[in-house]
Amino acid sequence: AQKITQTQPGMFVQEKEAVTLDCTYDTSDPSYGLFWYKQPSSGEMIFLIYQGSYDQQNATEGRYSLNFQKARKSANLVISASQLGDSAMYFCAMREASKKTSYDKVIFGPGTSLSVIP
Amino acid sequence: GAGVSQTPSNKVTEKGKYVELRCDPISGHTALYWYRQSLGQGPEFLIYFQGTGAADDSGLPNDRFFAVRPEGSVSTLKIQRTERGDSAVYLCASSLGRGRKETQYFGPGTRLLVL
Repeated sequence: AQKITQTQPGMFVQEKEAVTLDCTYDTSDPSYGLFWYKQPSSGEMIFLIYQGSYDQQNATEGRYSLNFQKARKSANLVISASQLGDSAMYFCAMREASKKTSYDKVIFGPGTSLSVIP
Repeated sequence: GAGVSQTPSNKVTEKGKYVELRCDPISGHTALYWYRQSLGQGPEFLIYFQGTGAADDSGLPNDRFFAVRPEGSVSTLKIQRTERGDSAVYLCASSLGRGRKETQYFGPGTRLLVL
């Protein structure tokens, strides 16, 4: 079963507007971490933001914020004031305990392709 | 400081050949991960090292795939008898430790094409 779901294969946003990229996850562990990565056409995965399952406040990093709704198991990424350089693939990922060790396995979603329109 | 580096950046090989992909993690990072990313998909976990030992190799698809990290730094992913289905981008990542909050930092990947 898919552990990370990103229902938007592709998204468009006007430059300077805000955009929300959806992510839902599935885990039975009470302790886990959620990450968002950006992958431009160059291919490198760039870390954007982290949210811990016990964190009381939503994470923010500059123009990125994470709308964490634990009961719904969703961790949506909000990008404010979109820029042309934001055009890329965006991956939601979850770190949870693996069968052998703790907190070692990171599972990625299928990604959302974001295109920023001038 | 230097990030994660991977060599080669591109590798073209023929079906049945043996290939080695190298990853040099960020200095001081004890955890190292290998992922495989097929076109249009998210990275798929292959193997995780904590130090020199493979702590979790549950993602390796079959026994043609093997990885080592003999001195706890550089790692090599080895693929024997390559098949066309092995064509993908192989990503390496490292993190300072193994805790829940530890962020993985990725290298640029090796694009493997098996003809």
